Amino acid sequence: QKEVEQDPGPLSVPEGAIVSLNCTYSNSAFQYFMWYRQYSRKGPELLMYTYSSGNKEDGRFTAQVDKSSKYISLFIRDSQPSDSATYLCAMSGGQGAQKLVFGQGTRLTINP
Amino acid sequence: EAGVAQSPRYKIIEKRQSVAFWCNPISGHATLYWYQQILGQGPKLLIQFQNNGVVDDSQLPKDRFSAERLKGVDSTLKIQPAKLEDSAVYLCASSLGVGASYNEQFFGPGTRLTVL
Repeated sequence: QKEVEQDPGPLSVPEGAIVSLNCTYSNSAFQYFMWYRQYSRKGPELLMYTYSSGNKEDGRFTAQVDKSSKYISLFIRDSQPSDSATYLCAMSGGQGAQKLVFGQGTRLTINP
Repeated sequence: EAGVAQSPRYKIIEKRQSVAFWCNPISGHATLYWYQQILGQGPKLLIQFQNNGVVDDSQLPKDRFSAERLKGVDSTLKIQPAKLEDSAVYLCASSLGVGASYNEQFFGPGTRLTVL
């Protein structure tokens, strides 16, 4: 079993839709939860990070962490074609606190 | 602020050949990471440096991969000899890296390696 599971998609939605992306994990030591966005032929860039459980909002993006269920989510409101990318969840914490463990990534396409 | 620089951007080699990748982190970042990202997968950490010392190389295939970070600044990752399964994007990242709390990692554009 992988430490972090993420549905690879692909996911295709119309412009303006609400997008929900999620990951599950098995390591209860994880404390930091991140979402990265990766455009084709580019390196990942940090979108949001959350410490422990709770919600965090930044513009059209909302990250949720439920440590009791070992489940994290990213919501994108009013999705735009420019949001088309691969979204990677990543986690760290416990021993080796700075080591990131990534999910497989979900490929998202927003259709105009 | 300049980002993480990597070169070359693309490399094609035949199996059993050797190859080297170079990374220059963001100025002042003490921690440097090399990740391997196989097509359709998330990045996997190969090695982590704190200044010029190795913090974690548990997932580095040491029989063929080596990495160094001389003077605690830029770094090279080498593969010798390469195998077909080494075809991937090699990402370098850096962070301020002080202490055990969260430090944002900034990624370079990666080097896309194809082994024929």
